[in-house]
Amino acid sequence: GDSVTQMEGPVTLSEEAFLTINCTYTATGYPSLFWYVQYPGEGLQLLLKATKADDKGSNKGFEATYRKETTSFHLEKGSVQVSDSAVYFCALNSGGYNKLIFGAGTRLAVHP
Amino acid sequence: NAGVTQTPKFQVLKTGQSMTLQCAQDMNHEYMSWYRQDPGMGLRLIHYSVGAGITDQGEVPNGYNVSRSTTEDFPLRLLSAAPSQTSVYFCASTARGPEDGYTFGSGTRLTVV
Repeated sequence: GDSVTQMEGPVTLSEEAFLTINCTYTATGYPSLFWYVQYPGEGLQLLLKATKADDKGSNKGFEATYRKETTSFHLEKGSVQVSDSAVYFCALNSGGYNKLIFGAGTRLAVHP
Repeated sequence: NAGVTQTPKFQVLKTGQSMTLQCAQDMNHEYMSWYRQDPGMGLRLIHYSVGAGITDQGEVPNGYNVSRSTTEDFPLRLLSAAPSQTSVYFCASTARGPEDGYTFGSGTRLTVV
């Protein structure tokens, strides 16, 4: 079945460092891909998405490119801030199915 | 404020007790879902609904019931609580499907002792 694999955390960075969180997927067909973020004590929020190969989703300085050839959707940010500390979830939706499949989540901790 | 409202925020149950987790949205979204979040496992779909009167099972439906009598409300019922149901539960909604991205509630932390 469809699945999402994320790099294990926690990822610990200093402020202004470059961030990459790896995400790879297995799916039949052509899924849409998402990154959600969960701040402490809150529900998940949609961060960005991409619906077809080579699309780049971006929001709040974060970017991710849908790479069909490597089945990947890695999240990147050029300069992280303390306020970016959160858990990041990669997810996919296979067209026609009314559900999202989530990865296990990657915790990011950014220190001043 | 528009969004998804979940109640209660915290709950402790004894094994065998039943309870209902409430979820309401005021955005007129057709699609609603319940997920549980467990450490190291991400979120897993329990039940979902594509509109009033229509529900279906997700990945981990056993021990849970749902109904959707109105567009706004999507309660989740635990029939006979078990320690394995200790988790954080999230309700989510979207207007036209997962492609649009979901709006999540703030969660209910449930402990079954």
